[in-house]
Amino acid sequence: GAVVSQHPSRVICKSGTSVKIECRSLDFQATTMFWYRQFPKKSLMLMATSNEGSKATYEQGVEKDKFLINHASLTLSTLTVTSAHPEDSSFYICSAPSLVGFSDTQYFGPGTRLTVL
Amino acid sequence: GQQLNQSPQSMFIQEGEDVSMNCTSSSIFNTWLWYKQDPGEGPVLLIALYKAGELTSNGRLTAQFGITRKDSFLNISASIPSDVGIYFCAGQGSYNTDKLIFGTGTRLQVFP
Repeated sequence: GAVVSQHPSRVICKSGTSVKIECRSLDFQATTMFWYRQFPKKSLMLMATSNEGSKATYEQGVEKDKFLINHASLTLSTLTVTSAHPEDSSFYICSAPSLVGFSDTQYFGPGTRLTVL
Repeated sequence: GQQLNQSPQSMFIQEGEDVSMNCTSSSIFNTWLWYKQDPGEGPVLLIALYKAGELTSNGRLTAQFGITRKDSFLNISASIPSDVGIYFCAGQGSYNTDKLIFGTGTRLQVFP
């Protein structure tokens, strides 16, 4: 249980285009999901909290107009990187909280590697 | 953004050796978590700690939740080659919907 998927796993796009990344909870419902960004050899940095039925909560310094988040259903959250630039190239990971056995915490997707040319 | 201090930054050990890493915070957390991340993949939960002073094991892994609630350590006994990866600690509030604050990571390399 507690499987989280992401699509696509890898995407390459041209500068100025927009890219949508999907995060799905496959066997449970999640009213809250989280989006992280990870640069090479660095830790995960929380970007925003996605809330089903309401607006996302963004961390300080994250541009909400650039990183659009939509929590369309109890099993799907999407992150759209608008007008992408090379500095947006990164590994984007989502997570969702669930209870599996005695571990009531967050489970992570496999990540999406974005490369902006 | 906020990060937790994790040490050591990297470790190079021989197969069979024990490993210890720790994580400290200036803030109190009610939950401490340890994850392992392989290259190009998302983190995988290893151990979750919910009470100050708690000592929990998962196979060859043992982790403790510090009494002050500001630190945690992870031990790996009798390391094997598949232990290679990056280990992250994370602090969290009382609820599983609270956001995670990650440590800086410990990169582990195991030589046969």
